[in-house]
Amino acid sequence: DIQMTQSPSSLSASVGDRVTITCRASQSVGTYLNWYQQKPGRAPNLLIYAASSLETGVPSRFSGSGSGTDFSLTISSLQPEDFATYYCQHSYGILYTFGQGTKVEIK
Amino acid sequence: EVQVVESGGGLVHPGESLRLSCAVSGFTVTNNYMTWVRQAPGKGLEWVSSIYTDGATYYADSVRGRFSISRDNYKNTVYLQLNSLRAEDTALYYCARDVRFAGSPPAFDYWGQGTLVFVSS
Repeated sequence: DIQMTQSPSSLSASVGDRVTITCRASQSVGTYLNWYQQKPGRAPNLLIYAASSLETGVPSRFSGSGSGTDFSLTISSLQPEDFATYYCQHSYGILYTFGQGTKVEIK
Repeated sequence: EVQVVESGGGLVHPGESLRLSCAVSGFTVTNNYMTWVRQAPGKGLEWVSSIYTDGATYYADSVRGRFSISRDNYKNTVYLQLNSLRAEDTALYYCARDVRFAGSPPAFDYWGQGTLVFVSS
């Protein structure tokens, strides 16, 4: 199975900061990589699909990049509503795997 | 408007069974790939099972042989049968649509709010 490793596991940041979360796959997944945001008590929400495509309705401050084994999610200017946990997920093949999550907290 | 509503969770003892339901409105389950994802209390997300438009089914190693995914086209509902439940199956179970945007890789775009399964003696 393909393993997904996110870093950091958590981070503290201030409103307006630029934040980058990385995700590494144990083998190449091409651009079969998605990013989700999850707030406490809520279902996950798709932010980015196919590594860099912004889901409809997601603010443009979110962006994704990468291919192969190394990916990143960037929030260009952190907003109060962005404090949440972020997960990467590969969709290569038929057995999908999520990263362990990155919790973004208020500094 | 799309709605995905899970039900059927509850408290069961180890070894017992449950059937989870995922009622969908706004799109047809027959024409879409559907998936179940679970989240243990305080933990991350774990893909559990998917059913494809052609009826093919797939499972995570942790549940293969114990869980079974199916759908009812008339009720527009997807099911997850959970057998031989273990304490480690305790989780919030989400149902989601596995969308394939115009040739793009799969992604889960519509999610329900989840149904809680608690396995304890």
